[in-house]
Amino acid sequence: TQLLEQSPQFLSIQEGENLTVYCNSSSVFSSLQWYRQEPGEGPVLLVTVVTGGEVKKLKRLTFQFGDARKDSSLHITAAQPGDTGLYLCAASYGGATNKLIFGTGTLLAVQP
Amino acid sequence: NAGVTQTPKFRILKIGQSMTLQCTQDMNHNYMYWYRQDPGMGLKLIYYSVGAGITDKGEVPNGYNVSRSTTEDFPLRLELAAPSQTSVYFCASSLFGGAPYNEQFFGPGTRLTVL
Repeated sequence: TQLLEQSPQFLSIQEGENLTVYCNSSSVFSSLQWYRQEPGEGPVLLVTVVTGGEVKKLKRLTFQFGDARKDSSLHITAAQPGDTGLYLCAASYGGATNKLIFGTGTLLAVQP
Repeated sequence: NAGVTQTPKFRILKIGQSMTLQCTQDMNHNYMYWYRQDPGMGLKLIYYSVGAGITDKGEVPNGYNVSRSTTEDFPLRLELAAPSQTSVYFCASSLFGGAPYNEQFFGPGTRLTVL
C-alpha cells in the first residue's frame, strides 16, 4: 500500500507570510495533483505535475515535483486569508485504473 | 452544469440502520468514486466505477455497497450502520481514468453521524 505523507499537518500564519507544504512518498509517482478544500466543500484541483523537476506557478502558488518523482512541494508567497483551507496532494502510481492516493492534508489558516 | 451533486448534506443514523447516499453528475463522466474523509486521515477510496454496470472495491469497502445502473448516478449504500462509519462522504467523477488527465470533480459531501 502506497502512503503519501504531508507536512506540516497544521499551519497558522499571519497575512503576508510565506509558507511551504510538503508531500512525500517512498514510491515513485506517475503524476501528482494538488487540491484545495474549503470548509463544507469538496476538494478542487489546483494543479497537476508530471515530469520530475517540473515547476508550475499559479499566481502566488508555486508547485514543484521532485527530480525522483517521490516528493512535491507547494510554496505560497505573501499568504492571504483567502488561501485558508485544507491542501491535499494526490498521487497516481500507474496501473490500469490509475486510482488516486490522497495525502493526509495540511490545514492552513491565514490570519488577517 | 450542476457538476456533482450529493444528497443529503447531513444525516444522523442509529446503529444498525441503513441508508443510501445519492450522487449524480451531469458531466457525462465515465469514472465515479466514493471517498470517506476522517479528521487527519485524508480521503480514503471506498468504491469506484469505470462505467455503467462496472464497479470495484477501493481501499475501505467493508460495510458499503454500490451500484451503477446509469452514467449519471452512483449511489452508496450503508447496511447496518456502525459508529465507525461516522465520517464525511464525498462523491467524485472524472472524464479520464488515466494519469495525468484524471482530474476529479467532487461533490459538496454528506456528513454522516452514527449514534
